[in-house]
Amino acid sequence: GAVVSQHPSRVICKSGTSVKIECRSLDFQATTMFWYRQFPKQSLMLMATSNEGSKATYEQGVEKDKFLINHASLTLSTLTVTSAHPEDSSFYICSATGFSGSYNEQFFGPGTRLTVL
Amino acid sequence: EDKVVQSPLSLVVHEGDTVTLNCSYEVTNFRSLLWYKQEKKAPTFLFMLTSSGIEKKSGRLSSILDKKELFSILNITATQTGDSAVYLCAVTQGAQKLVFGQGTRLTINP
Repeated sequence: GAVVSQHPSRVICKSGTSVKIECRSLDFQATTMFWYRQFPKQSLMLMATSNEGSKATYEQGVEKDKFLINHASLTLSTLTVTSAHPEDSSFYICSATGFSGSYNEQFFGPGTRLTVL
Repeated sequence: EDKVVQSPLSLVVHEGDTVTLNCSYEVTNFRSLLWYKQEKKAPTFLFMLTSSGIEKKSGRLSSILDKKELFSILNITATQTGDSAVYLCAVTQGAQKLVFGQGTRLTINP
């Protein structure tokens, strides 16, 4: 099946710094990638939809100036958490859409655990 | 507002038991319903359901969708400790957007 990687898998940073998370589709091209956030014992919440070559579409309540998304190529999308605060500590997961036989399936990356001190 | 509701939120059973997890939904522009298993990392895909009444099976797991009543169930028979995980239900809206339920935390005790 299709593979999506994320880097880093875990990051700890100081409050006020910026953190960049990469999401790559390794063996397929993904015109659309999604970024989710998951707080402990809660479900995945969609943050934004990232389309290659265009601006990301953010969900209601997600600050686009704080969570910068860049989808520069068909295999790479990045999420930058700017001026991180402790409340941004969460598990960030990306997914990429690829064709799986007869339908478009979302393939999830392994996630990045962000801890802001 | 679009929503996906799972029940129960938490379930503890003994190895060998059969469990049924529920998922109901209210979304606009429904396309499909998906079940995922999440252990420590990202969700892994289990099933995608698009048509009512057609059961999907994979080993001890099976799932079915009722589009009239807007719900789905996930059954796991002869449970094993390795089945312990959070099971997520998600609904695809329009162009691939996924709306997730809260998840059911399943614990299988030996």
